[in-house]
Amino acid sequence: DTEVTQTPKHLVMGMTNKKSLKCEQHMGHRAMYWYKQKAKKPPELMFVYSYEKLSINESVPSRFSPECPNSSLLNLHLHALQPEDSALYLCASSQAVLGGDYGYTFGSGTRLTVV
Amino acid sequence: KQEVTQIPAALSVPEGENLVLNCSFTDSAIYNLQWFRQDPGKGLTSLLLIQSSQREQTSGRLNASLDKSSGRSTLYIAASQPGDSATYLCAVRPRVTGGGNKLTFGTGTQLKVEL
Repeated sequence: DTEVTQTPKHLVMGMTNKKSLKCEQHMGHRAMYWYKQKAKKPPELMFVYSYEKLSINESVPSRFSPECPNSSLLNLHLHALQPEDSALYLCASSQAVLGGDYGYTFGSGTRLTVV
Repeated sequence: KQEVTQIPAALSVPEGENLVLNCSFTDSAIYNLQWFRQDPGKGLTSLLLIQSSQREQTSGRLNASLDKSSGRSTLYIAASQPGDSATYLCAVRPRVTGGGNKLTFGTGTQLKVEL
């Protein structure tokens, strides 16, 4: 299995809702990432998990809450989002250490619309 | 701070033409450089990964080169086809350990191959 699977593919939520995005990989990668991408812009890093521990938080608002329950699964919990949070949310994984690095693998993304 | 620039921002070519996409980075202390393709509203598909010790990588009609000392990489696409139409992103991974698993993305080149 050489894929990163993201669910759902599309999500519409109200500003008072609570929802979660899910990401799964079975490549044995020990680093997992959440990126946010706005239209016609490159992806922006949000969070990095290395060996199931949060190692980087790029000053993301607390209405985004990441969780890494195990080495294969990464969640992004959403609460009280704003319309400007509407974007494509991408999950990625890679080897956690530089040795044996085969690059990053990205999922197909979740298109989030906040209404 | 690493900055990655891609030129041109947009490119339109007739089918069959050979073309070159450029990627420049300011900090040569990289571990590797990865080229991605992104179709509208979709995730990133990895095309080629070049380690810092390598000069080029090839896959089918694609050839990527890396000149780390001058901070440049090029993606060469031979005999372009309409199916190659997409946005192409380069991304560099820094030569750091621990939590430094941060890709820096370029600004992207939007390619359109016309019949």
